[in-house]
Amino acid sequence: KQEVTQIPAALSVPEGENLVLNCSFTDSAIYNLQWFRQDPGKGLTSLLLIQSSQREQTSGRLNASLDKSSGRSTLYIAASQPGDSATYLCAARSSGNTPLVFGKGTRLSVIA
Amino acid sequence: SAVISQKPSRDICQRGTSLTIQCQVDSQVTMMFWYRQQPGQSLTLIATANQGSEATYESGFVIDKFPISRPNLTFSTLTVSNMSPEDSSIYLCSVGETGGARQPQHFGDGTRLSIL
Repeated sequence: KQEVTQIPAALSVPEGENLVLNCSFTDSAIYNLQWFRQDPGKGLTSLLLIQSSQREQTSGRLNASLDKSSGRSTLYIAASQPGDSATYLCAARSSGNTPLVFGKGTRLSVIA
Repeated sequence: SAVISQKPSRDICQRGTSLTIQCQVDSQVTMMFWYRQQPGQSLTLIATANQGSEATYESGFVIDKFPISRPNLTFSTLTVSNMSPEDSSIYLCSVGETGGARQPQHFGDGTRLSIL
C-alpha cells in the first residue's frame, strides 16, 4: 500500500530564498506524482504532474523532480515570495486504476 | 483545465441531520472523485463517482453514510448522512481530465462542514 510522507511539516523562510520541499513514497512502482498548493480555506491547485518516465517538470519558478529508485520527489521553489505562502501537498498514484494517495503537506511561510 | 464549482462552500449543521454537497464541472469529465480532509490530516478518498452506476467506495466508507449521485458527465452530489461531530471536515470534489490517469487531477474549493 502506497504511503506518502512530507517533511518538514512546516517551514518559514525569508523572501527571496530558494527552498526545497521533500516528499517520499513507499511504493517505487509509481505511475505518476502530482504536487498541489492549498491556500487556507481553499481547495487544491495543481502545480506539477510528473509521469513515472520523467525525471523532472518545470513551471515558472517551480521545479519538481522524481527519483523512483529512492522513493523521493522534491519541489524546488526559486526566489520565494510572500505569495508562495501556502500548504504544499504531494500525491502519488501507483497505477492507472488506483487513486492519488496524499501526504499531510508542508505549510510554507515566506516572510517579507 | 476544468472549472469545478462546489456548493455550499461551508455549512454548520446539527447532529443527526444530513447535507448534500453539489459539484458542477464546466466540461464533461470521465472521472469524478470525492475526498475528505479532516482537521490537520491529509486528503482521503471517499469514493469514485461513476456516471450511470453506483459509486465505488474506498475501505472505511459506505453508501448508507455517504450516498453519491452522478446523473451525467458534469455533475455529482455527495450526501453526508446522520452527521456527528466526527464528520466535521472539508469535503472536496475532484475530476480527472480526459485522457485518464496520465492527466492531472483537479479539485474544487471544497465544502467546509462543521457539526454541532
